[in-house]
Amino acid sequence: RKEVEQDPGPFNVPEGATVAFNCTYSNSASQSFFWYRQDCRKEPKLLMSVYSSGNEDGRFTAQLNRASQYISLLIRDSKLSDSATYLCVVNINRPGRRALTFGSGTRLQVQP
Amino acid sequence: NAGVMQNPRHLVRRRGQEARLRCSPMKGHSHVYWYRQLPEEGLKFMVYLQKENIIDESGMPKERFSAEFPKEGPSILRIQQVVRGDSAAYFCASPRYEQYFGPGTRLTVT
Repeated sequence: RKEVEQDPGPFNVPEGATVAFNCTYSNSASQSFFWYRQDCRKEPKLLMSVYSSGNEDGRFTAQLNRASQYISLLIRDSKLSDSATYLCVVNINRPGRRALTFGSGTRLQVQP
Repeated sequence: NAGVMQNPRHLVRRRGQEARLRCSPMKGHSHVYWYRQLPEEGLKFMVYLQKENIIDESGMPKERFSAEFPKEGPSILRIQQVVRGDSAAYFCASPRYEQYFGPGTRLTVT
């Protein structure tokens, strides 16, 4: 089983739609959670951290459910520029190891 | 890319040659992580280094791959005797919590 699992998509949505991505992680020792965005053939860029209480940044809302080991990202009023791959990322607590564990990503295509 | 620099951006090598990838972390930071992204796959951790010290190399293939981060100069990921399966994007990142990535090196082995 993968440590971080995401639906690969693609999600094809019209401009203005609301879209939600889900992600599950298998290691209960996971401590930090993030959503990254990766455009085609570019580096991943941090979109937002995910906090237990849930957090919002403009049109983006992230939520964490530690009991279910589940993370979500909601995008409201989708823009064409939101088209990208969204990576669910966790920091799993291991001695001497602080690297991130990435999901394979969910592709979003926003259509005019 | 928040100041993380990598070069070259593109590298073509023939099977059996050596590939050297370089990464300079954000200014004032002394930690570097290397990740590999195979085509159509997610990023996979390879190695975590501080200046002059390998902290965690649990993601490095056992053979042909090595990494260093000398006191002066960039971190270097070295792949000896490259094979076609090494074709991938190699990213480095710093600092330690919210990691910021360099633009990557796309290695193509012909």
